[in-house]
Formats: sequence, structure tokens, C-alpha cells
Amino acid sequence: EIVMTQSPATLSVSPGERVTLSCRASESVVSNVAWYQQKAGLPPRLLIYASSTRATGVPARFSGSGSGTEFTLTISSLQSEDFAVYYCQQYHKWPLFGGGTKVEVK
Amino acid sequence: QVQLQESGPGLVKPSQTLSLTCAVSGASISNGNYYWSWIRQHPEKGLEWIGYIHHSGSSFYSPSLKSRLSISLDTTKNQFSLNLTSATAADTAMYYCARTFIDVYNFATDTWGQGTLVTVSS
Repeated sequence: EIVMTQSPATLSVSPGERVTLSCRASESVVSNVAWYQQKAGLPPRLLIYASSTRATGVPARFSGSGSGTEFTLTISSLQSEDFAVYYCQQYHKWPLFGGGTKVEVK
Repeated sequence: QVQLQESGPGLVKPSQTLSLTCAVSGASISNGNYYWSWIRQHPEKGLEWIGYIHHSGSSFYSPSLKSRLSISLDTTKNQFSLNLTSATAADTAMYYCARTFIDVYNFATDTWGQGTLVTVSS
């Protein structure tokens, strides 16, 4: 199986800051990566698929990049509603999620 | 607007079958490149893909659950179901149904149900 490792596990930030979340695959997944946001008590929300394609309705401050084994989700200017857990997911083989990065208030 | 709603018992006894249904509204499960997925989340932990199915009959199951898992579609009721046999405490989780668009380049799970918590306990 292809393991997805996210870092850091927790990120403490202030509103307005630029945030960069990392996801590393144990082998190449080409560009077959999606990113999800999950807030407490809610299902995940699709942000990005195919490494860099924003899903419908996702604000432009969210962007994804990467290919092969290294992927990044960037939030250009963190808003209060962005505090959440973020998961990457590969679908190059059986879909597997990373362990998540919690973005919390500094 | 597409909506998905899970239903089923919140408590299942060990060794019994965990059965859930997902009712879909606002879209037909018989159309297009959409697959219908089940995903679960163990308490305070990450997400696990259980399986997904297409109206053509194609279905894909988690290698770790394959021996106990069955996912089916009911096009007359526009719903799909999950059956997981021989349940154990390790199957205690929040279960989500979801819609996934799949083509050569894309795998996008864009619509999720609110989830239903299933506890396996005697």
C-alpha cells in the first residue's frame, strides 16, 4: 500500500498568515492526490484533486501543488473559518488518507 | 443539490452484520461517471476508504475488509448499501457515504453524507 505521511501533525498559526501543509507519499503517485478539510462534527470537504485542481466553490486562497512523492497544500492568508484538520489522500492505488494536519489558533 | 443520508443501526453486537443504507437525492445513482462510496473514521482518528461501486456493476473493496464486505446499489430506490459481516469492536466508527467522480485523471469525492456513528458492542 502507498502510505501518505503528513507534516506537521499540528500547526499553530494566526489569522492572515500563509500556511503550508506537506504530504509525502511512500512511492510515486504521479499527481493522483486530493486534499480535504474537516471541521469538528462535520464530514470532510473536498478542496483539491489531481494535485492542483480546486473543487467547485473552494476559495482561491487554497492551492495545491506537487507530483511524484511530494505534495503541498497552501493557504495564502488564513481566515478564521480555515481552522480545521486537513487530510491528503492518494488514489494512485487503493485510496488511502494521510494522518492529517490540525491547523489551530496560535 | 445532491444530498446523501446514511441510515442504519447505531449499535451492532459483535459477530453480527453491520448494515447501512445511503439514500441519494438530487441525482440518479444510475448516471454518469459517479461512483458511490463508503468511508469510515474511527473515533478521534483518520479516515479509511471502505469501498465504492458504479451503476455498471463495478465495485472496489478495501483489501483489508474485502473478505467481510459487500456494497450494493438499489436503483429503484436510488440508494446504496453496505454490509460488513462478523463485526468487531474495531469496526466501531463514524460511517460516511459519499459520491466520487472518477475518470482517467480524477478521483474527486465532492459530496458527503453527514455520517452515522456505529458502535460494535454487546
